[in-house]
Amino acid sequence: RKEVEQDPGPFNVPEGATVAFNCTYSNSASQSFFWYRQDCRKEPKLLMSVYSSGNEDGRFTAQLNRASQYISLLIRDSKLSDSATYLCAVNMDFGNEKLTFGTGTRLTIIP
Amino acid sequence: DAMVIQNPRYQVTQFGKPVTLSCSQTLNHNVMYWYQQKSSQAPKLLFHYYDKDFNNEADTPDNFQSRRPNTSFCFLDIRSPGLGDAAMYLCATSRGAPGRVGFSYEQYFGPGTRLTVT
Repeated sequence: RKEVEQDPGPFNVPEGATVAFNCTYSNSASQSFFWYRQDCRKEPKLLMSVYSSGNEDGRFTAQLNRASQYISLLIRDSKLSDSATYLCAVNMDFGNEKLTFGTGTRLTIIP
Repeated sequence: DAMVIQNPRYQVTQFGKPVTLSCSQTLNHNVMYWYQQKSSQAPKLLFHYYDKDFNNEADTPDNFQSRRPNTSFCFLDIRSPGLGDAAMYLCATSRGAPGRVGFSYEQYFGPGTRLTVT
């Protein structure tokens, strides 16, 4: 099993729709979780941290499910500008300040 | 306003010709990381510094070296680039979280250096 796993997609979603994708992780003791957005040929940019209680920022909601070891990202009322690759990142290596990144889920919003 | 700066943004080098990539930060973060990212792949951590302490990944080839002369700057040296080293190289920084097992602060990335090897 991969340490951090994402469905690569692509997810092709009409503008205005709601889309959600998950990221599973293998270390049940992980405590730090993040979602990043990466545009083509650009650097990953922090979208949001994922807290135990969940986190909402405008149209974006992140959730943590410890029992099933996954985090999720929900995008409501999707915009064309949301088209990007979404990477999850998880602290998997305790004692070090390291994050393990998933390969990303590619999202395309269709007009 | 740029917080993590990488130079150059694009680098073309010849097979076997040493190259140095640089990264600087204005965030005063303890930790600096170097990642390699190839198309459609996850960023792969090469190594990181916690202050002056160097932490190498077990699978990072010896061809890759790093230096951190001070808090603000970090360099990636590729001693003898091969065709397989063509990639985007990303520098990132974060605050340290000493003593907090399993916890990491968020990482902030620079714009990357795209390396081409001819």
